[in-house]
Amino acid sequence: SQKIEQNSEALNIQEGKTATLTCNYTNYSPAYLQWYRQDPGRGPVFLLLIRENEKEKRKERLKVTFDTTLKQSLFHITASQPADSATYLCALRDRGSTLGRLYFGRGTQLTVWP
Amino acid sequence: IAGITQAPTSQILAAGRRMTLRCTQDMRHNAMYWYRQDLGLGLRLIHYSNTAGTTGKGEVPDGYSVSRANTDDFPLTLASAVPSQTSVYFCASSDSRGWGGYTFGSGTRLTVV
Repeated sequence: SQKIEQNSEALNIQEGKTATLTCNYTNYSPAYLQWYRQDPGRGPVFLLLIRENEKEKRKERLKVTFDTTLKQSLFHITASQPADSATYLCALRDRGSTLGRLYFGRGTQLTVWP
Repeated sequence: IAGITQAPTSQILAAGRRMTLRCTQDMRHNAMYWYRQDLGLGLRLIHYSNTAGTTGKGEVPDGYSVSRANTDDFPLTLASAVPSQTSVYFCASSDSRGWGGYTFGSGTRLTVV
């Protein structure tokens, strides 16, 4: 069956450290993978997209890697801040699916403490 | 501000009643989606529309219907609500390829009693 699994439901780190979140997928052939941030009571907000032929993407303190051999994406937040505390969702578009349709993981709740 | 507007923000609904959740976007996106989000289950696709005039079923379509009469509006209707439809509902939109990511609304929290 198809699965998208994100590492531990909750991740707690100290301010200033690098947070690393994992997204593993099974039985998908992603055309691209996306990461979203979701705050309590709000809708997800798009952060980054990485295509199947890209290894790494950066945006300010964010970095995403994509390894199609390992079937895994890593999402890094460097110099983390308490304001980074939120739930982070990975999502992928399968090459065999309807154009634009995304499949989401369940999310990892990140808490950055001072 | 460009984005998606959902209404109502929250609603308590008696089982068996009919209800329409409204969704409007002003970004001229071709594609629109309805998801429900439940604790422990994540976001699950209910229905989608790749362009005005067309709709399709997602993972959990039973008990829901949609229409797409124009580009901007994508209402979701519960014909006869049941308690298992208690959830947070998110409307989203994207360009046809999804390269720019989805834009989500703020959600509708629905409780069916």
